[in-house]
Amino acid sequence: QSALTQPASVSGSPGQSITISCTGTSSDVGGYNYVSWYQQHPGKAPKLMIYDVSNRPSGVSNRFSGSKSGNTASLTISGLQAEDEADYYCSSYTRTSTLVVFGGGTKLTVL
Amino acid sequence: QVQLVESGGGVVQPGGSLRLSCAASGFTFSNYGMHWVRQAPGKGLEWVAFIRSDGNNKYYADSVKGRFTISRDNSNNTLFLQVNSLRAEDTAVYYCAKGRSGATLFAVVIDYWGQGTLVTVSS
Repeated sequence: QSALTQPASVSGSPGQSITISCTGTSSDVGGYNYVSWYQQHPGKAPKLMIYDVSNRPSGVSNRFSGSKSGNTASLTISGLQAEDEADYYCSSYTRTSTLVVFGGGTKLTVL
Repeated sequence: QVQLVESGGGVVQPGGSLRLSCAASGFTFSNYGMHWVRQAPGKGLEWVAFIRSDGNNKYYADSVKGRFTISRDNSNNTLFLQVNSLRAEDTAVYYCAKGRSGATLFAVVIDYWGQGTLVTVSS
């Protein structure tokens, strides 16, 4: 069982917006602004999309945005495109002895 | 450009050991914290271990604590993961990954990943 909770799947049509949630506790998501989001296409390594809750690395489309409220972080993808179809994972710093926790992942289907 | 190339995976019997390596290039290796993250077949990402840039602080997932050891050789730009007492549930692709900073807190962000090496634990 993953430390952070994500929906197993979400879907949307091209051009629409979708939001993926990531729920933790005050020991991780809620207590610190060190939430990251990763995109993984089948058979590929993950790619950093968002870090520190809402920052985009250079080269990542501004269609991707992140936010946080309480113990829940969210990734929003606007103007859905076919190439956005992938698995998405959140992660967070945790003040437990383990340091980093991941969510279970969300499969995004572009209809 | 940043390159992370893992090696050392393979098929091993339960209870066996392996030493995974990750050759890093394209950045000043000694300035960054480094991670190992694994992914079981058809499953999600699982963080495994982290080592600070100077090698002095190490963190482990509860599932591997006492069995796995992360280390690094800053002279040769190489990250290691010694995996002992392997179990079937350790079967996974093991990714070497670069933290975004040398400072532990900021290095929890992983900005580059290798392509992974597959470890299969089977009799």
